Amino acid sequence: GAVVSQHPSRVICKSGTSVKIECRSLDFQATTMFWYRQFPKQSLMLMATSNEGSKATYEQGVEKDKFLINHASLTLSTLTVTSAHPEDSSFYICSAITGTFLTDTQYFGPGTRLTVL
Amino acid sequence: AQTVTQSQPEMSVQEAETVTLSCTYDTSESDYYLFWYKQPPSRQMILVIRQEAYKQQNATENRFSVNFQKAAKSFSLKISDSQLGDAAMYFCAYKFQGAQKLVFGQGTRLTINP
Repeated sequence: GAVVSQHPSRVICKSGTSVKIECRSLDFQATTMFWYRQFPKQSLMLMATSNEGSKATYEQGVEKDKFLINHASLTLSTLTVTSAHPEDSSFYICSAITGTFLTDTQYFGPGTRLTVL
Repeated sequence: AQTVTQSQPEMSVQEAETVTLSCTYDTSESDYYLFWYKQPPSRQMILVIRQEAYKQQNATENRFSVNFQKAAKSFSLKISDSQLGDAAMYFCAYKFQGAQKLVFGQGTRLTINP
């Protein structure tokens, strides 16, 4: 099946530093990837849609300059949390689309837990 | 805007019994897809089942089946012969055919009692 990986699975950083999270599609080419944020006991909140070779589309209320997304290849998208603060602590999940645009199903990575001290 | 509502924050069922999770959605579109995703304690989102709106036949995947009522905009998930490994958060999701984004419901936490 379609497998999506994320790295790292957990990261702890100091306030003010930047953290990069990688999302990879392992056995398929993903023209589109998505980044979600999930707070404890809550649903997934879409942050941005990432298309290979173009700028990401951010959801309303998501700071583009804080959450930098790069989708440089058909198998890799990265999310960089810049100047992280404790309120950025959360669970970040990526997903990727395989198949045709109209019928595709999103497959999810295992998530990355970010803790900002 | 499309919305997805899961009115049951928590559900519990005895092992081997059957449980139904509810989901309703609001859309003005006619072509769309509906999904149920499972998120176990590992937090890995797993696709359970998917339904195309143009199909009248309800989707089934082994012990999982849906009751898709298009006119009522209802999409419930039935889990038969519940197993301990079914314990998880279950999210209902909607995708308009012409869009890439998924719209998620709030989730239902399912507990399986041995």
